[in-house]
Amino acid sequence: EADIYQTPRYLVIGTGKKITLECSQTMGHDKMYWYQQDPGMELHLIHYSYGVNSTEKGDLSSESTVSRIRTEHFPLTLESARPSHTSQYLCASSEGIEETQYFGPGTRLLVL
Amino acid sequence: KNEVEQSPQNLTAQEGEFITINCSYSVGISALHWLQQHPGGGIVSLFMLSSGKKKHGRLIATINIQEKHSSLHITASHPRDSAVYICAVRSGGGSEKLVFGKGTKLTVNP
Repeated sequence: EADIYQTPRYLVIGTGKKITLECSQTMGHDKMYWYQQDPGMELHLIHYSYGVNSTEKGDLSSESTVSRIRTEHFPLTLESARPSHTSQYLCASSEGIEETQYFGPGTRLLVL
Repeated sequence: KNEVEQSPQNLTAQEGEFITINCSYSVGISALHWLQQHPGGGIVSLFMLSSGKKKHGRLIATINIQEKHSSLHITASHPRDSAVYICAVRSGGGSEKLVFGKGTKLTVNP
């Protein structure tokens, strides 16, 4: 079983609030990823990181930001949540680019 | 048109049936992944393959690079196999990004 954790699992919040979704892994993986998934739809990469102090935007435009100050921690922040941000956010990590990705349980976000 | 197409979108089977889920892609790839997503949302990686066939328990994954096609087979299906099965490809050239299909929702009835 993969040691990758996300908190909170569910979040209901009002428009305009700042939120941070947490992702931590204890496998020592350098590569970490954030995906966004709407119900019944495919996953889209929104951010990724190759290691500490390395972050890149993914294919899907996102108003969120990420940071990677420690290898095990890759938080995602929305400065001002909007209803259009309602979705599921999945964090993943891998040992290398060509390696299997291990996924966290996801955070379901509802912005009212 | 998505770069990764899966069929069928939904599949209902009786316990014990042999299941096949198909994935076609339109780009050159370095690897193809099969993932399983349970109703709670968590995703588990089942296979990563770049050629041939892999088997794990009752699951078998095959890929035909020339035809840009992969299949996931489940033998002796069980209600606990009910989940969404997702195909994802990594483009060739050292790309770090996976492109995902929309998934096939499998329901296995007892």
